[in-house]
Amino acid sequence: QVQLVQSGAEVKKPGASVKVSCKASGYTFTKYHMHWVRQAPGQGLEWMGIIKPSGGSTSYAQKFLGRVTMTRDTSTSTVYMELSSLRSEDTAVYYCARDGEEGDYMDVWGKGTTVTVSS
Amino acid sequence: DIQMTQSPSSLSASVGDRVTITCRASQGISNYLAWYQQKPGKVPKLLIYAASTLQSGVPSRFSGSGSGTDFTLTISSLQPEDVATYYCQKYNSAPFTFGPGTKVDIK
Repeated sequence: QVQLVQSGAEVKKPGASVKVSCKASGYTFTKYHMHWVRQAPGQGLEWMGIIKPSGGSTSYAQKFLGRVTMTRDTSTSTVYMELSSLRSEDTAVYYCARDGEEGDYMDVWGKGTTVTVSS
Repeated sequence: DIQMTQSPSSLSASVGDRVTITCRASQGISNYLAWYQQKPGKVPKLLIYAASTLQSGVPSRFSGSGSGTDFTLTISSLQPEDVATYYCQKYNSAPFTFGPGTKVDIK
């Protein structure tokens, strides 16, 4: 079955970087784009960006330009999201989510990775 | 960028009630609209894509309609397990923005 397994929770200090992984299984990794979405405590869903595993091209939300980098490793079917210059407002659950069969909606989600930014 | 709004922001209804949630895009997005359900403490779940196509396994009491800028999600007969926050999302082009969410609970 299709599965997205994310890395474990992280605690970081302000100014640091965090790198979250998302390992895909159960489907052809290069066939589907992968999104990253985050959710701050008690808040809504926020789209961060998308990566195309076939070629590695990316598109990021304006808000994160210059701070976010999404990469992939096709040998391990894993995508990564690195966020730098962390601040307390980046405390959130970070989800990877696979593109749908018929468009850029999200049909399979990882369980989420909690990132806490605290001094 | 296209902005997404939802109304109401929250609602309370009785079991068996018909519930309607509205999503509006600031510009036309054809039918590139998805709906998600997020139960408390859980991962979001895709309900509907292409404005009205029910994702496999989703109960038929959920339905979606609309095109262009105005969309609706309808729950024909609200059940206790439908307590959740519902989000719309545009996916015609990046950025793939979500609406702010509508919280649904039982009266």
